[in-house]
Amino acid sequence: DTAVSQTPKYLVTQMGNDKSIKCEQNLGHDTMYWYKQDSKKFLKIMFSYNNKELIINETVPNRFSPKSPDKAHLNLHINSLELGDSAVYFCASSPRQGGGETQYFGPGTRLLVL
Amino acid sequence: AQSVTQLDSHVSVSEGTPVLLRCNYSSSYSPSLFWYVQHPNKGLQLLLKYTSAATLVKGINGFEAEFKKSETSFHLTKPSAHMSDAAEYFCVVSGSGNTGKLIFGQGTTLQVKP
Repeated sequence: DTAVSQTPKYLVTQMGNDKSIKCEQNLGHDTMYWYKQDSKKFLKIMFSYNNKELIINETVPNRFSPKSPDKAHLNLHINSLELGDSAVYFCASSPRQGGGETQYFGPGTRLLVL
Repeated sequence: AQSVTQLDSHVSVSEGTPVLLRCNYSSSYSPSLFWYVQHPNKGLQLLLKYTSAATLVKGINGFEAEFKKSETSFHLTKPSAHMSDAAEYFCVVSGSGNTGKLIFGQGTTLQVKP
C-alpha cells in the first residue's frame, strides 16, 4: 500500500551506461515530479508532469528524459551516465498542480556512477 | 525570485529541551511555505505548511511554525525534543507561477543528545 514507490532503490553502474528509474503513485494524484539530491543534501527540482503533460523542465542536461505513460507513472531515463550524476533521485506527487499543494515523496533511488 | 535560507546548518539539543530551527524566505508575492523532514536514508515527509490562512501552523509530532511577514521568517519549533526527532529538516517555499515548483533551503541537521 506504498503511496509513492520507486524502483530500483539502489543503482550502481559504469560511466557511459544508460539507465532508467521508475516511479508509481497510487494516490490518484494528477501531478508528479522528479528531484535530485546531491551529496550535500541539497534538493532541486528537475521535472514535473501534470496529467501526462510536461510542466516544469529545469536546466537539466538533455541526457535526462522523463516519460509519463499515464498519470500514475513518471519514469526517468538517463543516457550516457557521468560521474556527476551520482545522487539520490526522488519522485513525488501532488493532488494537482499548484503552489500550495502538498507533495508526497517516494523513498528515493540512490544512483552511484563509477 | 523566490529563495529560502536556513540560518543554521546544524542544531544540537538535549532530549526534553526546546527545538528552534530558523528559516528566512524571500518572495515577490505571498508564498506557500513548508517544512519537510528527512530521516536517514528515507524520503521526505511533510511536517506542516502555511498557505495564507492562520499564521501559526501546527504540524505533526508536536512541531509548529509561525509565519511572520514583517520578518520574512518561518521558524520551526517544538517544546520538547525527542530522540526520534534527529533528522534533516528542510524549509521550502513555493516558486513563482502556479507550477508547483518547490525551492528548498540547504537543510538543518538536528542532533538530539540523550
